[in-house]
Amino acid sequence: NAGVTQTPKFQVLKTGQSMTLQCAQDMNHEYMSWYRQDPGMGLRLIHYSVGAGITDQGEVPNGYNVSRSTTEDFPLRLLSAAPSQTSVYFCASSPGLAGGLGEQYFGPGTRLTVT
Amino acid sequence: AQSVAQPEDQVNVAEGNPLTVKCTYSVSGNPYLFWYVQYPNRGLQFLLKYITGDNLVKGSYGFEAEFNKSQTSFHLKKPSALVSDSALYFCAVRDPDQAGTALIFGKGTTLSVSS
Repeated sequence: NAGVTQTPKFQVLKTGQSMTLQCAQDMNHEYMSWYRQDPGMGLRLIHYSVGAGITDQGEVPNGYNVSRSTTEDFPLRLLSAAPSQTSVYFCASSPGLAGGLGEQYFGPGTRLTVT
Repeated sequence: AQSVAQPEDQVNVAEGNPLTVKCTYSVSGNPYLFWYVQYPNRGLQFLLKYITGDNLVKGSYGFEAEFNKSQTSFHLKKPSALVSDSALYFCAVRDPDQAGTALIFGKGTTLSVSS
C-alpha cells in the first residue's frame, strides 16, 4: 500500500490564483481530513469527510473547498489564494465512520507559499 | 467544544534521563486520546492511543502515556530518552459522543534530547 499520498510537495502561487491540492489513499478508509500546520499553531482542521459524498467544515474552512466523489480521493481547492494561506497542508485518513477508534494516517504534506 | 492543551512549547532533557511531555484535554464525554510525533519535513506518525481500559498505555519506540481522568491529563512519558527522540510531539483528542468530529490537536511540544 502507498498509504496517503499528496501532490504536489511544493507549490508557489501568486495572490488570487486558484489551485487544487490532491490527496489519495489506498487503504479504503472512510474518514479523510485536511489540516494546515503553522508555526506555534499546531494542526488546524480545515475540512473533513466521513465518506464519499459527505463533507463538513472544520475549524478554519474559509477560502477552501472540498469534495469527496470517491472513497480514495479528497482534493482541497483554494479558490483565490491569499498570503495568509501560506502553510504546510496535511491530508489524513482513518478507518471507520467518523474517524473510528483508529489512529489517523498522514500524508507527507504540501508546502504552499502564496506571494 | 473539545480542546487540548500542551502547556510547554519545548522540553529539554539529557540522553538517558526520563522525559515527560504534558497534555491536558477538555471534552464533554469520555475522550479518545492520541499522541503523534513529527520529525523534520515529515508527516505525523502515530505513537499511541487511549480509548478505554488500562490508564497506562504503551506505544511505539518505548513511549507510554498515562490517562488521568480526574486531572484530565494524558502525559507522554519515556523512562530513558534518546537523542533520536528529538522531534515535535502532538497530543490530540476526539469526543466519541460527537458524531462526525475529527481529531483536535494541541499546538505541539518540541522535545530536544541532548547527548
